[in-house]
Amino acid sequence: AQRVTQPEKLLSVFKGAPVELKCNYSYSGSPELFWYVQYSRQRLQLLLRHISRESIKGFTADLNKGETSFHLKKPFAQEEDSAMYYCALSANTGNQFYFGTGTSLTVIP
Amino acid sequence: DSGVTQTPKHLITATGQRVTLRCSPRSGDLSVYWYQQSLDQGLQFLIQYYNGEERAKGNILERFSAQQFPDLHSELNLSSLELGDSALYFCASSINTGPLHFGNGTRLTVT
Repeated sequence: AQRVTQPEKLLSVFKGAPVELKCNYSYSGSPELFWYVQYSRQRLQLLLRHISRESIKGFTADLNKGETSFHLKKPFAQEEDSAMYYCALSANTGNQFYFGTGTSLTVIP
Repeated sequence: DSGVTQTPKHLITATGQRVTLRCSPRSGDLSVYWYQQSLDQGLQFLIQYYNGEERAKGNILERFSAQQFPDLHSELNLSSLELGDSALYFCASSINTGPLHFGNGTRLTVT
């Protein structure tokens, strides 16, 4: 079975502090992993995908196949980073997507 | 702008009624996905279509139905509405593989 786990429902950090949003997955094949961000219950926006290995808005995420994790990191949190973050897995067959339950990040000024 | 268009933006209706939500995918995208997001349930996958055919079904109630038309737009029909159906309904599209691109959602309020 495919599953994405985001263990933290809520996460608060101070401005300027490092932030890490955890994502673990279980999948029997070779998945593609994504991070989506949702500001104030607007549309979900693609933040990162593991195959592109780029940094968006200072965020990075590395796929660790050994630990089956895809944690999202940023060295210095900003107030505008406050949002809901969803980790998602795409299965190879039929491009089915599996979303985690989301982590609500609050950056305290 | 993701290129995915959803109408209407807001919908207020009474219990027992039926509504239709509409989604136009990005140009070239063959897959359409529907999600429900309520305050206490997070993002729930409802159904996926690919080029007019149902590809995957999630936690979609029997009172709900969807279809994808030959021009690839999709409609989600919600009937016998209950208060608990109040939520944001998102449509997303993709090419056969690759990331999902979400619309701005339809905010449904059932009174």
